[in-house]
Amino acid sequence: EVQLQQSGAELVKPGASVKLSCTASGFNIKDTYMHWVKQRPEQGLEWIGRIDPANGNTKYDPKFQGKATITADTSSNTAYLQLSSLTSEDTAVYYCARYGYGFDYWGQGTTLTVSS
Amino acid sequence: DIQMTQSPASLSASVGETVTITCRASGNIHNYLAWYQQKQGKSPQLLVYNAKTLADGVPSRFSGSGSGTQYSLKINSLQPEDFGSYYCQHFWSTPPFTFGSGTKLEIK
Repeated sequence: EVQLQQSGAELVKPGASVKLSCTASGFNIKDTYMHWVKQRPEQGLEWIGRIDPANGNTKYDPKFQGKATITADTSSNTAYLQLSSLTSEDTAVYYCARYGYGFDYWGQGTTLTVSS
Repeated sequence: DIQMTQSPASLSASVGETVTITCRASGNIHNYLAWYQQKQGKSPQLLVYNAKTLADGVPSRFSGSGSGTQYSLKINSLQPEDFGSYYCQHFWSTPPFTFGSGTKLEIK
């Protein structure tokens, strides 16, 4: 069974960084692209970026360039999203998703709250 | 970069009605379009990919259509479980793979 298990909720202070994880089971992340999506409270979905775990190549939406860094560890079948210089604008739920003709599997989401 | 314009932003309908949601791309996306449903507090779920192909387990009352820059999601005979938010997303060529702004479907 395909599953994406994301790390737990985070409460971090402004200016800090955070690294969220997404561990896949039921498939090998090297066989596909892994994506990250942001959803602010009561707002729509925003595509952040993707990684090709087979070679580490990444692409980002220009809005997230410099804010987000996506990495992957194929030995643990896990994708990561690191967010830096956090502000209240980064408070959101972050989802990882697998590409399979659309995002056919999603993680359960990680709630990030940025507050002092 | 391709921009996606989705309409309407909200929609109120009754059980049994038929509704249509549309997305317009800023350039030809060659049917590389997906539709998702999201219930409050849950992860989105894939409904349609490649503009017209239903994802596994999606009821046949859902259908996708369109080509070029204009695409639609139609829901026939609305059921209580269909209420929630809907998003389109393109996958044409290179990223960013932008989402539409969403449509909130509510019970009348």
